[in-house]
Amino acid sequence: RKEVEQDPGPFNVPEGATVAFNCTYSNSASQSFFWYRQDCRKEPKLLMSVYSSGNEDGRFTAQLNRASQYISLLIRDSKLSDSATYLCVVVLNTGGFKTIFGAGTRLFVKA
Amino acid sequence: GAVVSQHPSWVICKSGTSVKIECRSLDFQATTMFWYRQFPKQSLMLMATSNEGSKATYEQGVEKDKFLINHASLTLSTLTVTSAHPEDSSFYICSARGRGVEKLFFGSGTQLSVL
Repeated sequence: RKEVEQDPGPFNVPEGATVAFNCTYSNSASQSFFWYRQDCRKEPKLLMSVYSSGNEDGRFTAQLNRASQYISLLIRDSKLSDSATYLCVVVLNTGGFKTIFGAGTRLFVKA
Repeated sequence: GAVVSQHPSWVICKSGTSVKIECRSLDFQATTMFWYRQFPKQSLMLMATSNEGSKATYEQGVEKDKFLINHASLTLSTLTVTSAHPEDSSFYICSARGRGVEKLFFGSGTQLSVL
């Protein structure tokens, strides 16, 4: 089993749709969680951190469920510019930080 | 936010030549730097982790003699692809982390094309 697993893509949605991405992690000692966005042939960029209390940034909402070892990202009112690959990232603290990337889920938002 | 500068952005070279990619942290001390490779439509693959002043730790399957990593200072790491071949053509990305910091900051990547 992979340490971080994401929904297989791609997701094809119309503009204005709400789309949800899911991610599960296997190591219960995982400490921190993030969603990154990566455009084609560009570096990943931090989208948001993920907290157990849930956090929202505009149209984006992230949620963490430690008991289920599950992370989600919700995008409301999708825009064409949201088309990208979304990476679920988990950080372990094993004496030093170890960052584990999910394989990513591609999103295509169409007019 | 923290800035990581990666150069060059793209490079085209002949088979058999060596290519050096630089990764610099501009406004923080990068105690750990990471090098990734990404093939089209695939996920990031960690190649190696380097801590300042020590030898890099390579992931399984990555040839340390082919991908030379140097992290001589707290602001600079280099990846040298030695005797590059067409199958080494890929998108190479570095990232850096400061001491006690969880977040990673990425360079803008280098597209390598080996003819």
